[in-house]
Amino acid sequence: DAGITQSPRHKVTETGTPVTLRCHQTENHRYMYWYRQDPGHGLRLIHYSYGVKDTDKGEVSDGYSVSRSKTEDFLLTLESATSSQTSVYFCAISDGGYYGYTFGSGTRLTVV
Amino acid sequence: GQQLNQSPQSMFIQEGEDVSMNCTSSSIFNTWLWYKQDPGEGPVLLIALYKAGELTSNGRLTAQFGITRKDSFLNISASIPSDVGIYFCAGRGNAGNMLTFGGGTRLMVKP
Repeated sequence: DAGITQSPRHKVTETGTPVTLRCHQTENHRYMYWYRQDPGHGLRLIHYSYGVKDTDKGEVSDGYSVSRSKTEDFLLTLESATSSQTSVYFCAISDGGYYGYTFGSGTRLTVV
Repeated sequence: GQQLNQSPQSMFIQEGEDVSMNCTSSSIFNTWLWYKQDPGEGPVLLIALYKAGELTSNGRLTAQFGITRKDSFLNISASIPSDVGIYFCAGRGNAGNMLTFGGGTRLMVKP
């Protein structure tokens, strides 16, 4: 009912394999974000989108790519997963108004 | 770029005690937000502040937008076990919609 879902919730993958995480929203919000959360680092922005096919890099974008072909979906791809990309990934959405972001429940990714 | 320093990094308190945490910035912000993250979930917005000096409450939570616009404070009164989690501050400056997040305060409550 929160209007934002992430899939999968958990994933274990091997080093060197490609991985795609999905964020889906039903709020028709313009802005979408991908963060990673690691102990001692808080939330770090990977990539964000300000419209369909409009994306930009965040502070930790190396090794990640994104795509947004329609308003409701924002995909995060790890082209060749590494152990340093083991993390919890959060998607967030915003309508650009006064209120902050609404976060998804996260995807816990383990790269072995 | 903008940075937010949030303190303390962690707190371990007794149930019933009051809690204070704060965020400071090197830059001015126009909006301050406080989020709480329960274990295994994403952060959820608790309080939003839009004016310097503003004091806003949400139940046992009270937050303030600092007069200098470079800091914000969150207080929790009479803590209970369900207050356990990570609390994040976030600020929005003049650069569009982007939020800058603090590093989080991990709160642990002993029954």
